[in-house]
Amino acid sequence: ETGVTQSPTHLIKTRGQQVTLRCSSQSGHNTVSWYQQALGQGPQFIFQYYREEENGRGNFPPRFSGLQFPNYSSELNVNALELDDSALYLCASSRTLLSTGELFFGEGSRLTVL
Amino acid sequence: DQQVKQNSPSLSVQEGRISILNCDYTNSMFDYFLWYKKYPAEGPTFLISISSIKDKNEDGRFTVFLNKSAKHLSLHIVPSQPGDSAVYFCAAACPSGGGADGLTFGKGTHLIIQP
Repeated sequence: ETGVTQSPTHLIKTRGQQVTLRCSSQSGHNTVSWYQQALGQGPQFIFQYYREEENGRGNFPPRFSGLQFPNYSSELNVNALELDDSALYLCASSRTLLSTGELFFGEGSRLTVL
Repeated sequence: DQQVKQNSPSLSVQEGRISILNCDYTNSMFDYFLWYKKYPAEGPTFLISISSIKDKNEDGRFTVFLNKSAKHLSLHIVPSQPGDSAVYFCAAACPSGGGADGLTFGKGTHLIIQP
């Protein structure tokens, strides 16, 4: 069983640029969610995708957007990067839509915005 | 406004003793609680969960206790082992809402098991 994989693992961008982060879900999982973990904080929910549609969103502005593909892989796009976007971005997949399903996290993509 | 609070940033425990990690929450709509463990350079991994209809759930060395009236939960690890050294996150969810709000995490407690 292949776990959740994310790419790239590290990247550096400058303020105002755009970034795309990628995630491959664990086999058999149809739900993917993205979390932002700033330094010293817990992961914060960005949004969730189920069957290629956004199914829930946390308190993040519209410049954070996502996609889920038919093979359940996913992308997180962030436009007009700001310094505060520097964080570890975690992708998680689950078998079910409901939060009682265990989330399987990837290792994360660490984004630094200069 | 933190809805899930872990007030101890770090905790040091001797190997073989009991580790107790605490978590408080403010949102009474939360009805499912989880603990995740995170090693450096790895993603969080699920440890144990509890539904609000229970007050205790046990899995091997790990036990989670839930006190709904106090809006408090705790994770007990007995006996503590060196491999337990990690950051532990408490998380809460409202499954009855369809899961659309995701999980709400605390800031984490760094557990250090000393030999």
